[in-house]
Amino acid sequence: DVQLVESGGGLVQPGRSLRLSCAASGFTFDEYAMHWVRQAPGKGLEWVSGISWNSGSLSYADSVKGRFTMSRDNARDSVYLQMNSLRKEDTAVYYCARVRDSSLWYDGLDYWGQGTLVTVSS
Amino acid sequence: QSALTQPASVSGSPGQSITISCTGTSGDVGGYNYVSWYKQHPGKAPKLMIYAVGDRPSGVSNRFSGSKSGNTASLTISGLRAEDEADYYCSSYTRFSTVVFGGGTKLTVL
Repeated sequence: DVQLVESGGGLVQPGRSLRLSCAASGFTFDEYAMHWVRQAPGKGLEWVSGISWNSGSLSYADSVKGRFTMSRDNARDSVYLQMNSLRKEDTAVYYCARVRDSSLWYDGLDYWGQGTLVTVSS
Repeated sequence: QSALTQPASVSGSPGQSITISCTGTSGDVGGYNYVSWYKQHPGKAPKLMIYAVGDRPSGVSNRFSGSKSGNTASLTISGLRAEDEADYYCSSYTRFSTVVFGGGTKLTVL
């Protein structure tokens, strides 16, 4: 079965950094683009970043551009989200998700992790 | 990149059909057939219900259908059931090589 397991969330002060990880299993990881999506408490879904299978195509939402860096390690079947200069408005549950079609960067996300909560507060 | 526009809430009685709209621009919904829809229960991860405007993943009921006209996509749920009550989100690929979600629609089954 496909599984995505996020880790690395927690409480962090504004201006500090945090690194999220997402470990994948149950599919050929290096064939699929991956994405991060977040959801602030009581709010809707917000796309954060996406990366192609070979890291050749990488994109970010304007709200995190210049502060967050997404990467992947195909040898470890994992994707990461390095979050720097964190702000209170970055407080959210962060989900990693797999693109449905391995030949595309995005056509829908068919598998999601359980999410990891990031709380930015002093 | 502005969020796609969805109604905040819709409701219907069991057995009825409802439609949720998702309005974007020619730079996202109108320009690409990469519109997808997600269902989410509170505290749970989203579930993909529709991809590529109108295709259903394996295991999703054929009571769920998607379509698009111009810059507006739609999700229709027919034969409404109590278990359909949830939040629904649309999303689209954009001309900036990013992804944008709608604000979400809370579906209430009366």
